Amino acid sequence: KNEVEQSPQNLTAQEGEFITINCSYSVGISALHWLQQHPGGGIVSLFMLSSGKKKHGRLIATINIQEKHSSLHITASHPRDSAVYICAVRPWGEGGGATNKLIFGTGTLLAVQP
Amino acid sequence: DADVTQTPRNRITKTGKRIMLECSQTKGHDRMYWYRQDPGLGLRLIYYSFDVKDINKGEISDGYSVSRQAQAKFSLSLESAIPNQTALYFCATQRGSYNEQFFGPGTRLTVL
Repeated sequence: KNEVEQSPQNLTAQEGEFITINCSYSVGISALHWLQQHPGGGIVSLFMLSSGKKKHGRLIATINIQEKHSSLHITASHPRDSAVYICAVRPWGEGGGATNKLIFGTGTLLAVQP
Repeated sequence: DADVTQTPRNRITKTGKRIMLECSQTKGHDRMYWYRQDPGLGLRLIYYSFDVKDINKGEISDGYSVSRQAQAKFSLSLESAIPNQTALYFCATQRGSYNEQFFGPGTRLTVL
């Protein structure tokens, strides 16, 4: 079982819909990252969060540390939001400090149709 | 201009050839990473470096080597390429500990 699981793997939405992508993880973490990968490959960091909620434009990311779960929401979705969304976690190390490595999920492929 | 660049962007080579992928950054970040991405798998860490001449193995370092001779550059070498090294390779940079990573545009490598 992967340490970082995303759902759904694929998602098709109509323009304007509210979208939720989920990320569950099985290790203790110091931070969670949401990344966006557009066709053609480039990867952009959207959020880094360790508690609560962050908002940037139409994107909202939430995390529940106790439940080991995070969600990425897109409000008023648009075709330009079509991309792969990747969740990554930074686990705690054996000594109790955060590690310097990220564990990545396999991504959610989002297609927003006009 | 892009802050993190990778060269080449695409490369097709043959089994047994030595290949070098280059990563350059203008962000002034101390930490640099090399990842590979395969269909259906998450990004996997090959090597990382915290500073010039500092080299650390990631989870899939076999068959690869790296060099960090300057803070701005981190190169990845495949000493003798094999077909299962066909993948998309990403370089990333990070300032200090526990911050977000900034990714290059990727290099698509095909080994025939």
